[in-house]
Amino acid sequence: EDQVTQSPEALRLQEGESSSLNCSYTVSGLRGLFWYRQDPGKGPEFLFTLYSAGEEKEKERLKATLTKKESFLHITAPKPEDSATYLCAVQHQGGSSNTGKLIFGQGTTLQVKP
Amino acid sequence: GAGVSQTPSNKVTEKGKYVELRCDPISGHTALYWYRQSLGQGPEFLIYFQGTGAADDSGLPNDRFFAVRPEGSVSTLKIQRTERGDSAVYLCASSPTGGVGGYTFGSGTRLTVV
Repeated sequence: EDQVTQSPEALRLQEGESSSLNCSYTVSGLRGLFWYRQDPGKGPEFLFTLYSAGEEKEKERLKATLTKKESFLHITAPKPEDSATYLCAVQHQGGSSNTGKLIFGQGTTLQVKP
Repeated sequence: GAGVSQTPSNKVTEKGKYVELRCDPISGHTALYWYRQSLGQGPEFLIYFQGTGAADDSGLPNDRFFAVRPEGSVSTLKIQRTERGDSAVYLCASSPTGGVGGYTFGSGTRLTVV
């Protein structure tokens, strides 16, 4: 069964203190791994898609990497506006590969203090 | 429209009542998804539409849940005989075509069953 586990559940950082969020996954053939950001009271906002081990994507202070078992979201010199819940999701090969159905982790809530 | 619009933003209903939740996707997007998100959890897939047809309804929890998209744009999620366990945020998302997970979410409808 496809499964996505994120750690830690919550993370508090001081402004400028770099860190990483982890997403471990078990999937029967990975079609894509997705990172989303979710602010309170809002829907998830798409950040990155990674398709194969070794791939990296960057956007401002965020960098996502992928291995065969996990993905990391590295946050460099975070600012208070980076505070949000970060969600990881996988899409597997096979029956649902043509639907775009995603399996989400429970998220990591990041708080960056000034 | 500019984004995915969901109405109402909040809905409080009594146990046993019928509710309808509306989703207006981005204009021209043929793929539409419904997810459900409980507090502290990631979104959970409910149903996927490609055009007017439900291509994957494997996530609907039981026959009290039903969704339609009669003209291939607006979709309505219908819940009969609501139960307290149905309380959650119901998220809608759309993408230009199906099959790829990096889609755009709306802000959701928060459903509370009392």
